[in-house]
This record gives sequence, C-alpha cells and structure tokens, in this order.
Amino acid sequence: AQKITQTQPGMFVQEKEAVTLDCTYDTSDPSYGLFWYKQPSSGEMIFLIYQGSYDQQNATEGRYSLNFQKARKSANLVISASQLGDSAMYFCAMRETGNQFYFGTGTSLTVIP
Amino acid sequence: KAGVTQTPRYLIKTRGQQVTLSCSPISGHRSVSWYQQTPGQGLQFLFEYFSETQRNKGNFPGRFSGRQFSNSRSEMNVSTLELGDSALYLCASSLGSGAPKNIQYFGAGTRLSVL
Repeated sequence: AQKITQTQPGMFVQEKEAVTLDCTYDTSDPSYGLFWYKQPSSGEMIFLIYQGSYDQQNATEGRYSLNFQKARKSANLVISASQLGDSAMYFCAMRETGNQFYFGTGTSLTVIP
Repeated sequence: KAGVTQTPRYLIKTRGQQVTLSCSPISGHRSVSWYQQTPGQGLQFLFEYFSETQRNKGNFPGRFSGRQFSNSRSEMNVSTLELGDSALYLCASSLGSGAPKNIQYFGAGTRLSVL
C-alpha cells in the first residue's frame, strides 16, 4: 500500500483565495511526522510545515496550515490568500520513527491572476 | 547558516560512464538522504546516511552507491550510467536522530543528463 497518497495531480486557484491540497497517509506506527514541501520550477524542495502525530493542535506557519485528522489519516495543506508565487508542485511526506521519508506524487498548483 | 549545497548543479554524461555527486549538509546536521526525481517516477528515495553509516536504503540497483564522511558531507556515485538515470538528484540533510520530527532540508539538486 502507498504510504502517502495525493489524489489531486493539478489544482487551480484564484489569486487571494484559499486552497486545500489533499493528503492521506498509511502507517501503523503511533509516532510519526507529517510534512509539506513546495517545489517551484527551479527544482529546490522548500519545507513548509510539520505536524507530529501527538500534536493536539493543527500546525500553522504564516499562510500555511495543516488540517490534521488523525482518525481519517488525513493531513491536508491549506494555503490562505493565494499569491502568484505559490504556483508550484506541493509534496506531502511522512516519516515514521527511524525510517526514511515517504513522499507522495505531488500536486501541481497554479494560481490564476 | 548556509543551506544544503549540492555540486555540480548540472552534469552531462554518456552511457556507460560513471558519475559522482556531492552534498554538503547544513552545519550540525548528521543525516544526509538522497533522492532521484524523474517526471515518470516522481521522487524516489535512494539512501540515507547517518554518522558515516547507511541507515536506510531504497529500491535501487547496486550501480547506485553512496558514502558519508566524518564531516557529514556525502557523495553519491552512479556507475555504468544508463539513459534512464537522467534525473534531478536531490540531497537533504537533517539533524539526524530517528525521531519523526527531524525536518529534512533540501539542496537545489544536481540535474544529470545521460546521452
């Protein structure tokens, strides 16, 4: 089974609107971390936000927030007030204790002016 | 603090040759991971090194190898290059404990073209 599933290959959002990028994960480890990365066309992967499995509150970092639903094994990224510079590929990732990072297939986000 | 540095940024090789890519992690980071990214296969994990030891390994043939030095710098080697090895190779570093919270920070990547 896939460890990380991102079902949206491509998404469009109007500038200044909010957008949600979906991510579901699969693990039996009670301790794990969830991450979101942004990859612009230049290629570099940029860390955006982290959520721990034991964290009680959803993580937020500026315009990014992570909608963590543990029972549903869901870790959706919400970007508020989209900007043109948000156009990029977005990857969801997970790490279990001592293990490698697992990445999803990514979602291509295009912000429309 | 300097970020993760990968050299070279671009590389062109021919089939059958070998190539060595270099990665210098963020100061204080002891774990280095390598990934291959292609349009068809996405982001695939190659291996992770921690304190000069390979800690995790992905599902790649033995032509792909790596090592880590005592200063945490890492190299990745691909021998007998094939056309399918053309890809963006990304290196990421983290503090290194096996804890899930260890954030990986990526370099800009090395874009390898095999002709």
